[in-house]
Amino acid sequence: AQSVTQLGSHVSVSEGALVLLRCNYSSSVPPYLFWYVQYPNQGLQLLLKYTSAATLVKGINGFEAEFKKSETSFHLTKPSAHMSDAAEYFCAVSTAAGNKLTFGGGTRVLVKP
Amino acid sequence: DAGVTQSPTHLIKTRGQQVTLRCSPKSGHDTVSWYQQALGQGPQFIFQYYEEEERQRGNFPDRFSGHQFPNYSSELNVNALLLGDSALYLCASSLTSGGENEQFFGPGTRLTVL
Repeated sequence: AQSVTQLGSHVSVSEGALVLLRCNYSSSVPPYLFWYVQYPNQGLQLLLKYTSAATLVKGINGFEAEFKKSETSFHLTKPSAHMSDAAEYFCAVSTAAGNKLTFGGGTRVLVKP
Repeated sequence: DAGVTQSPTHLIKTRGQQVTLRCSPKSGHDTVSWYQQALGQGPQFIFQYYEEEERQRGNFPDRFSGHQFPNYSSELNVNALLLGDSALYLCASSLTSGGENEQFFGPGTRLTVL
């Protein structure tokens, strides 16, 4: 069985400040890990993915995440928040490419001017 | 290149009714997955279709059923609707037979059960 825990259902950051969203996973096999973003009334857009290659993964819109096996974590960061980053972010785990995704509960990001 | 499309965008039903939601995958994709996203929660996996067969299933009752057509499009059917079935239903497509396995999501269908 696999599971994902996202610490903090809401995060508030100032424009230009660091964005840090936490994700811890549980998986019985080497995981595939993903971060998705969801804007209001829209579907999910993939930000980045880890598929057993480099542990530091760079994604779109300046986001990156680091896979730490010893900590079973896959935290998402962005050095400088932009107003357009206000959205909900979901971490997800899969046991293999294309298999079902198990999502965390999501973290809503508010960006203050 | 059209992405994943879903219809309808919104739907209102009453308890006990049946509903059918439709999904067209991204061009070139052969696999469709369905997810239920209740308000304020992360998406939950319902099932996945490949080669017109259900390949994986999540923890959903038999009231939830699906179908995949030869053109890879898919339908999600829910019978005997309950108030708790109110949610955003997301379809995702991917390519199993080689190439990218990343799942691309559609905009969803918002189902309200009264």
